[in-house]
Amino acid sequence: EDKVVQSPLSLVVHEGDTVTLNCSYEVTNFRSLLWYKQEKKAPTFLFMLTSSGIEKKSGRLSSILDKKELFSILNITATQTGDSAIYLCAVEARGGAQKLVFGQGTRLTINP
Amino acid sequence: DVKVTQSSRYLVKRTGEKVFLECVQDMDHENMFWYRQDPGLGLRLIYFSYDVKMKEKGDIPEGYSVSREKKERFSLILESASTNQTSMYLCASSYLSGRAYNEQFFGPGTRLTVL
Repeated sequence: EDKVVQSPLSLVVHEGDTVTLNCSYEVTNFRSLLWYKQEKKAPTFLFMLTSSGIEKKSGRLSSILDKKELFSILNITATQTGDSAIYLCAVEARGGAQKLVFGQGTRLTINP
Repeated sequence: DVKVTQSSRYLVKRTGEKVFLECVQDMDHENMFWYRQDPGLGLRLIYFSYDVKMKEKGDIPEGYSVSREKKERFSLILESASTNQTSMYLCASSYLSGRAYNEQFFGPGTRLTVL
């Protein structure tokens, strides 16, 4: 059974701190790993990773995939209160209509 | 901008009622998905569809059915609502696999409470 596990489930830090969110997975025929940010409403797409060792970067956010060890990390540097959200990791397997398997999510709270 | 809309943000129903949740997307996406989101469990796939009138069971289809009569619209049906179906329901859409960049786009969610 395909499985995605995120850690920690909850994290509280101060503004300006750097955080690392973890996502490990077990999936048959891996195709891609996706990160989403969910504030009060719809999850919004952050990154899609398909190749090991290639960092994706967007402003203060970056992510990397390790296909040998089956995990990904999402880094956020110089955190701001607007980074407070649930961060979702999902994995897509090859074949079929792009089914995603999601982890439980990490609830990140940034205190001023 | 891709837009996925859901018919209601909040819905309160009674046990045994038939419930319809509607989702519409405006990007001509082939794939559409229904998830439920519960604390500690993340998003779990209920049903998905990759074409009009086509449907596939996800991981937790029991107690639900779906309908896709038009490409842009995907409905989730609770034939007889039960209290354990109280949850946040999220709809998503995407292009068919095979494109280089193919994320799912989500609607704002419907928070359903079954009393």
